[in-house]
Amino acid sequence: AQSVAQPEDQVNVAEGNPLTVKCTYSVSGNPYLFWYVQYPNRGLQFLLKYITGDNLVKGSYGFEAEFNKSQTSFHLKKPSALVSDSALYFCAVRDARNSGNTPLVFGKGTRLSVIA
Amino acid sequence: DTEVTQTPKHLVMGMTNKKSLKCEQHMGHRAMYWYKQKAKKPPELMFVYSYEKLSINESVPSRFSPECPNSSLLNLHLHALQPEDSALYLCASSKGGLYNEQFFGPGTRLTVL
Repeated sequence: AQSVAQPEDQVNVAEGNPLTVKCTYSVSGNPYLFWYVQYPNRGLQFLLKYITGDNLVKGSYGFEAEFNKSQTSFHLKKPSALVSDSALYFCAVRDARNSGNTPLVFGKGTRLSVIA
Repeated sequence: DTEVTQTPKHLVMGMTNKKSLKCEQHMGHRAMYWYKQKAKKPPELMFVYSYEKLSINESVPSRFSPECPNSSLLNLHLHALQPEDSALYLCASSKGGLYNEQFFGPGTRLTVL
């Protein structure tokens, strides 16, 4: 079975400071990992994904994430937070051993609040 | 066009009404999805269509009936809903496969009275 854990319900950070939103995963095979962001009353927007290759993945709006196989983690990072980054962030995983229609498994979400 | 559109944005219906949610994409994606999302919770998968055929039904009650008229359109027909069905309903599409990301629409906010 595949699962995702986002250990923090809420992350608060001052504007201009670096931010990290944590994600750990569990799969039987190799993971395909995704980060999405959701602004209030909107759908989810894709930020970035890890499929294979370089462990540091760069995505939209200056976000990046580092895949760490030994720690089974895929933390989302940004060097300098903006107030406009305040939103709900979801990590998601699929097991590469499964078939193409296997559902995407989402974490419970982390609310990021960037304070001016 | 890299957008998934959904109509209506808001819907209020009684428990005896019949209504439909619509979703459209013109990205040539062959997989389309319906999700239900409660406040401050992750999306819950309801249905997956692959090449216009229903491939996954996550044990959704029959009062929700999906339809995929063609590769660009996805409908969700609603009948005899319950107040607990009130939620944000999200449509998504993707190229299919395990490693392709899903593109989400803005959602329909459904309230069942």
